[in-house]
Amino acid sequence: NAGVTQTPKFQVLKTGQSMTLQCAQDMNHNSMYWYRQDPGMGLRLIYYSASEGTTDKGEVPNGYNVSRLNKREFSLRLESAAPSQTSVYFCASSEGGAGARDTQYFGPGTRLTVL
Amino acid sequence: AQKVTQAQTEISVVEKEDVTLDCVYETRDTTYYLFWYKQPPSGELVFLIRRNSFDEQNEISGRYSWNFQKSTSSFNFTITASQVVDSAVYFCALSEWSAGGTSYGKLTFGQGTILTVHP
Repeated sequence: NAGVTQTPKFQVLKTGQSMTLQCAQDMNHNSMYWYRQDPGMGLRLIYYSASEGTTDKGEVPNGYNVSRLNKREFSLRLESAAPSQTSVYFCASSEGGAGARDTQYFGPGTRLTVL
Repeated sequence: AQKVTQAQTEISVVEKEDVTLDCVYETRDTTYYLFWYKQPPSGELVFLIRRNSFDEQNEISGRYSWNFQKSTSSFNFTITASQVVDSAVYFCALSEWSAGGTSYGKLTFGQGTILTVHP
């Protein structure tokens, strides 16, 4: 039982390049989330998927797209990377359907640097 | 809008000292949940505790205890007899349940408190 896994662990991009961050969970959770963590700012929600087949914007969605490929997988795509997107990206999942009561479980993170 | 404030940016203690991490939140909802997460140097976020807005009982788990006070909108976290392995960034987070709103667990995080425990 691996929980939430993310690939890659580290990535360096040049401005304008694109890439996709992958996330998978094996807990049969319905809801999945993408966050970014920047120094001194805690974690901020980029996009979320309340259930398979649905996605919605979070607090900071600009410059990102997501795909809920199936119940297990939720990917985050940067179409044209910018230095402002240098951050640590976390994927999380929760059972879903419980609203505020849901507990989110996080992956190990992807450290992305955009030069 | 909901907000979580962790005013202590960094705390440094010596092993075996007790340490309290402060968390103050703002919300207009009467139903909400509060969480604490730990981020050790390895980087992953580890869930520690969830508390709902109806239950103001303090909770103790081993060396960890949590003090929830609705009157002061605070949910403080105390580590008793701290150990080097407690060194980490600790995040407090708030999740609201708004009637008629999208039912998902939207978390608002505080900025985090870096705890360093020296041997």
